[in-house]
Amino acid sequence: AQTVTQSQPEMSVQEAETVTLSCTYDTSESDYYLFWYKQPPSRQMILVIRQEAYKQQNATENRFSVNFQKAAKSFSLKISDSQLGDAAMYFCAYRQGGSQGNLIFGKGTKLSVKP
Amino acid sequence: DVKVTQSSRYLVKRTGEKVFLECVQDMDHENMFWYRQDPGLGLRLIYFSYDVKMKEKGDIPEGYSVSREKKERFSLILESASTNQTSMYLCASSRPRGLSSPLHFGNGTRLTVT
Repeated sequence: AQTVTQSQPEMSVQEAETVTLSCTYDTSESDYYLFWYKQPPSRQMILVIRQEAYKQQNATENRFSVNFQKAAKSFSLKISDSQLGDAAMYFCAYRQGGSQGNLIFGKGTKLSVKP
Repeated sequence: DVKVTQSSRYLVKRTGEKVFLECVQDMDHENMFWYRQDPGLGLRLIYFSYDVKMKEKGDIPEGYSVSREKKERFSLILESASTNQTSMYLCASSRPRGLSSPLHFGNGTRLTVT
């Protein structure tokens, strides 16, 4: 069965600095998708970034980028120029290609941003 | 924008009560999901549905059932609520398999069973 591991329960970053959240996953499949979701105190889960496994190029969305290492099964999230609004729980998620769409989530990393 | 609406933000029920959590999406998505979120455990899938009247068990279906009579609505039912079902419940929807389309979530229902 596929699993997703986020080894950092909590992280802290200074405003305007850069932080990297780690995520590893375990799968024997070659076709899959990876996601990072953000959950602020409002509880609304918001998609931050997504990556298709067949794409070698790392996805980027404004200040958010990923380091996708397929062989190492690693999918870390880098947040540049951190802002107070980035404070949230961050969840890494995996979906097998051809599946019905169910995501398997990691346990989350709580990110604090210090002013 | 996709909107997924959960009928209650907070709910308090008594042990043994039958509880209905309602979820409606407005984007004609085929897939709908119910997750449970607990601190330190992340999100765990309870049930999902990929079509009207279709349902599949997730990782933790015990004590729950679901109903999908219309495409836009997916209900989670706690047949006899217990205190260990006190949790945050998140509904989500998405387009069908094979696409990289993400899940779109509702705002969650925080259920307390006393």
